[in-house]
Amino acid sequence: QLQLQESGPGLVKPSETLSLTCTVSGGSISSTYYYWGWIRQPPGKGLEWIDSFYYSGGTYYNPSLKSRVTISVDTSKNQFSLKLTSVTAADRAVYYCARHVIYYDNSGLPYPGAFDIWGQGTKVTVSS
Amino acid sequence: SYELTQPPSVSVSPGQTATITCSGDKLGDKYACWYQQKAGQSPVLVIYQDYKRPSGIPERFSGSNSGNTATLTISGTQAMDEADYYCQAWDSSVVFGGGTKLTVL
Repeated sequence: QLQLQESGPGLVKPSETLSLTCTVSGGSISSTYYYWGWIRQPPGKGLEWIDSFYYSGGTYYNPSLKSRVTISVDTSKNQFSLKLTSVTAADRAVYYCARHVIYYDNSGLPYPGAFDIWGQGTKVTVSS
Repeated sequence: SYELTQPPSVSVSPGQTATITCSGDKLGDKYACWYQQKAGQSPVLVIYQDYKRPSGIPERFSGSNSGNTATLTISGTQAMDEADYYCQAWDSSVVFGGGTKLTVL
């Protein structure tokens, strides 16, 4: 049974960088059948997609966050990480990592589909 | 940028059918999926590729997608179905709807 677990500091100071890691167990992040991604949810609000990637390359970003987001992958540890720079109070949220199934368009090109497995989420507060 | 629109809230009596809509430009040309999120929990995929149910999702959950609207239908709604529901599609980016709070009265 594949599981995802987010980890990282629960408190980040304004203007600093938020760093989170997602550890995947029960399956390989190098699987050819899946993308992986980050989603966040501010308190009392809806889901906001951050980014998605394929282990061997190919990353998609939310245009509104792209300039502040970096994603990295460590296949040896079966982990992937998110860095979000210059955080403000608006970045306060529960952050989830999740697995995407892969869909194929009419040209046979792959793209990220539904998120079929989610982590439990980690709460991040931004405060000095 | 692409947008998906959901009603903020839907109410249904136990045992009745709940219908939650998700609207977007030519949404029927894309795959839509639906997530259920209960209070304090992570989202759970309940419908993918418009109408398919993941293993373990009850048959009372069904989906359709045509034109500009995707629809999640819950037949014989139970108290345990009370949750927030989000639609999602892909348009060169992952796009989520704003969410619909389903209340089972």
